[in-house]
Amino acid sequence: EADIYQTPRYLVIGTGKKITLECSQTMGHDKMYWYQQDPGMELHLIHYSYGVNSTEKGDLSSESTVSRIRTEHFPLTLESARPSHTSQYLCASSAGTSPVAETQYFGPGTRLLVL
Amino acid sequence: AQKVTQAQTEISVVEKEDVTLDCVYETRDTTYYLFWYKQPPSGELVFLIRRNSFDEQNEISGRYSWNFQKSTSSFNFTITASQVVDSAVYFCALRNNNAGNMLTFGGGTRLMVKP
Repeated sequence: EADIYQTPRYLVIGTGKKITLECSQTMGHDKMYWYQQDPGMELHLIHYSYGVNSTEKGDLSSESTVSRIRTEHFPLTLESARPSHTSQYLCASSAGTSPVAETQYFGPGTRLLVL
Repeated sequence: AQKVTQAQTEISVVEKEDVTLDCVYETRDTTYYLFWYKQPPSGELVFLIRRNSFDEQNEISGRYSWNFQKSTSSFNFTITASQVVDSAVYFCALRNNNAGNMLTFGGGTRLMVKP
């Protein structure tokens, strides 16, 4: 059972606002990830982190930024939200200590709507 | 390059029918891992199974079974006696041993089980 949390679950916001999507996990996992999911279902990796102070961009270019100051916390920030940012954002984590342990566990997601 | 193909975008069945979700993958690596995740309407991705490339034994867990065939690069998922609660989007994913734990997801299959 995975303990990974995302807040808010749903967010409706106007264009130009700054938003931060929170993700935290209580499993002590080193690796964390952010995915963006289109309404058409496809998942795209936008950011990942191998540990504290480590962040990398994923396959899909994103205007968002992330930080990893604490192991358990991996927030994603949009400085100026636009309608094109409307999507579901999923956070995941994995232990990263062995191939078996590297199964990614996902949070419940944040559905973002930018008007 | 890695690729995962889920050719069935949507499947609709009537309760109690058996249903198979197809997954075909491409990789040049000899060591890799395959996964299935379930995404119910609530949005979170739920881990179902992980398989490594050296273990071709089929697996059964209750009404769920998985058929891994390396010769055809397929990792199909069968639900026996489907139930309405099985309605969800199902994702197949691939990770090779050297990919830094990056998952390559298929496009997903939306399964609708009607009463």
